[in-house]
Amino acid sequence: AQSVTQLDSQVPVFEEAPVELRCNYSSSVSVYLFWYVQYPNQGLQLLLKYLSGSTLVKGINGFEAEFNKSQTSFHLRKPSVHISDTAEYFCAVSGTGGGADGLTFGKGTHLIIQP
Amino acid sequence: DAGVTQSPTHLIKTRGQQVTLRCSPKSGHDTVSWYQQALGQGPQFIFQYYEEEERQRGNFPDRFSGHQFPNYSSELNVNALLLGDSALYLCASSGRGTIYFGEGSWLTVV
Repeated sequence: AQSVTQLDSQVPVFEEAPVELRCNYSSSVSVYLFWYVQYPNQGLQLLLKYLSGSTLVKGINGFEAEFNKSQTSFHLRKPSVHISDTAEYFCAVSGTGGGADGLTFGKGTHLIIQP
Repeated sequence: DAGVTQSPTHLIKTRGQQVTLRCSPKSGHDTVSWYQQALGQGPQFIFQYYEEEERQRGNFPDRFSGHQFPNYSSELNVNALLLGDSALYLCASSGRGTIYFGEGSWLTVV
């Protein structure tokens, strides 16, 4: 069984400031890791994913995340946020079944960008 | 190239009724998963279909059932609706390790 903990339910940040959204996971098997963004009244859009290889993963919209196996973390970062980044962000984990495993999501972090 | 499409986008049902939600996967994807997202929560995995069979199931009762057709499209059926079934139902299709989500179907049970 897997679980995901997103440590902050809400993160307020000023525009153009850096941000980090924290994610920790628990799993007894090897995992794939994902970050999704959800804008109001919309579905989920993939920001980035870690499958294997380099632990620093770059995604869309200037976001990046670092996989830390020893700390079982996959924190999301952006060096300078924009008003349009206001959204709900979800961290998710799956087994390495190549799409055969369902995703386990955290409860989400609401990123609030203040002008 | 159309992404994952879901229908209907919104619907209202009465307790005890049955509902069917539909999903067409992204072109080239043969695996469809369904998720339930209650208000203010993360999505929860319901089940996954591959080659017209249920391959994996989350912690949902038998009232939740599904089907996958030869063209890989899928249906989610929920019987004996409860107020607590009110949620956004998301369909995801996967292929080559990437998972894409549709916009979802908003179900309100009154």
